[in-house]
Amino acid sequence: GNSVTQMEGPVTLSEEAFLTINCTYTATGYPSLFWYVQYPGEGLQLLLKATKADDKGSNKGFEATYRKETTSFHLEKGSVQVSDSAVYFCALNSGGYQKVTFGTGTKLQVIP
Amino acid sequence: DADVTQTPRNRITKTGKRIMLECSQTKGHDRMYWYRQDPGLGLRLIYYSFDVKDINKGEISDGYSVSRQAQAKFSLSLESAIPNQTALYFCATSDGGSLGQPQHFGDGTRLSIL
Repeated sequence: GNSVTQMEGPVTLSEEAFLTINCTYTATGYPSLFWYVQYPGEGLQLLLKATKADDKGSNKGFEATYRKETTSFHLEKGSVQVSDSAVYFCALNSGGYQKVTFGTGTKLQVIP
Repeated sequence: DADVTQTPRNRITKTGKRIMLECSQTKGHDRMYWYRQDPGLGLRLIYYSFDVKDINKGEISDGYSVSRQAQAKFSLSLESAIPNQTALYFCATSDGGSLGQPQHFGDGTRLSIL
C-alpha cells in the first residue's frame, strides 16, 4: 500500500534559519504530492503541491520538488519566521478515489 | 464564514454515550471525509463519501458510523463511546476530477471520553 515517511519532530530553529523537512513516499502509479500546514487550534490547510515528476510547488517562501527517482518531496524554506511555527504534513494521492495518505506530521518551532 | 464547519468544537462525554459530530460545507464539493488525528500517528481515515448515496469505510471504521444527509452535510457517530476514541476529529472535502485536487479541512472537534 501507499505510505509517507517524514522526519520526526519537533524541529526547533532560530528565526531566519534555513528549514528542511524530509518526506519520502511509497506509492503505485504517479501520485500527486502535497504539503499541508496545521496552525494551533486549526485544521490542515494546503501549503503547496506538485502533480508530476520534477514539478516544484511553492507558496509563502516554501518550496518542494517532486523527485520521482528518489521518491521524495522535501519541504524547504530559506528563512523561517516565528509565524511559521506549526505542524507540517506531507501527503500523497495516488488512488482513483482521492484517498489521501498522510505522514505523521513534523512540528516546527521557530524561536526569536 | 468557514467553508467547512464542524460542530461541536469541543466535547467531553462519558464512556458508553452516543455522540454525533457534524460537518457542513459551502464549497459545493461532492466528496467528504472524516479523519481522526492522534499524536504521532498523523491523520487516519475513518469514512469517506463521494456523493449522497455513496459511503465507504476507511482504515479505522470500527466503532464509528456516518450519515450523508445532503451534499453539504456529513455526520460521524460514535454509537457507544470508549476512552480510546479520545482524539481530534477532522472533516474534509474535495472536488473530484484529478489526483491534484487538495482536501479542505474544518477546524476540528476535540473529543474527550472519560
